[in-house]
Amino acid sequence: SQQGEEDPQALSIQEGENATMNCSYKTSINNLQWYRQNSGRGLVHLILIRSNEREKHSGRLRVTLDTSKKSSSLLITASRAADTASYFCATALGGKLIFGQGTELSVKP
Amino acid sequence: DADVTQTPRNRITKTGKRIMLECSQTKGHDRMYWYRQDPGLGLRLIYYSFDVKDINKGEISDGYSVSRQAQAKFSLSLESAIPNQTALYFCATSDLRAGGPGTYNEQFFGPGTRLTVL
Repeated sequence: SQQGEEDPQALSIQEGENATMNCSYKTSINNLQWYRQNSGRGLVHLILIRSNEREKHSGRLRVTLDTSKKSSSLLITASRAADTASYFCATALGGKLIFGQGTELSVKP
Repeated sequence: DADVTQTPRNRITKTGKRIMLECSQTKGHDRMYWYRQDPGLGLRLIYYSFDVKDINKGEISDGYSVSRQAQAKFSLSLESAIPNQTALYFCATSDLRAGGPGTYNEQFFGPGTRLTVL
């Protein structure tokens, strides 16, 4: 069974808007990671947040982690058409990653 | 050249055939993983290996086997393919990086193999 659940499953926005994706998980974690997947291609690591961190930034990405609620969010600011992809959260546990089902983001020009 | 390569990239086969998917990496990582992805779903772990002598079953290992021929090579076999094994298969690698708390385990993915079993 999958550890993470993502919300929403699909998100459609206009270029320039912000996109927020949420991830909830069930058990304790070492860290939580976000990956991006362009259609039918391999996943690419975006950002990692450790369990003792609450917020992390990387360029236009902002990730938050609330271990008390077992949840994380990924914010993409000033979105671009090139951000169109699926985004997955993954929790690190026992040397493995457990992936959520993903959020499909569509950014319309 | 890509750090993680998978062959073949696409394969169509028939029910009952034996299929091998291969993964090679030049990243020098000890850890390698095989996942499958079905439409609308996330990735599910089939097998993983933390070093050449270490093989572990993942969430959905039934119907699959693996071989870790060297640090750089990890192959996935379907002994007798069935239609519900039609999926996109990904290989990934990682390098244990310790740093508190826990380990990082950022993974690097190959381009995927699209397998269709008729």
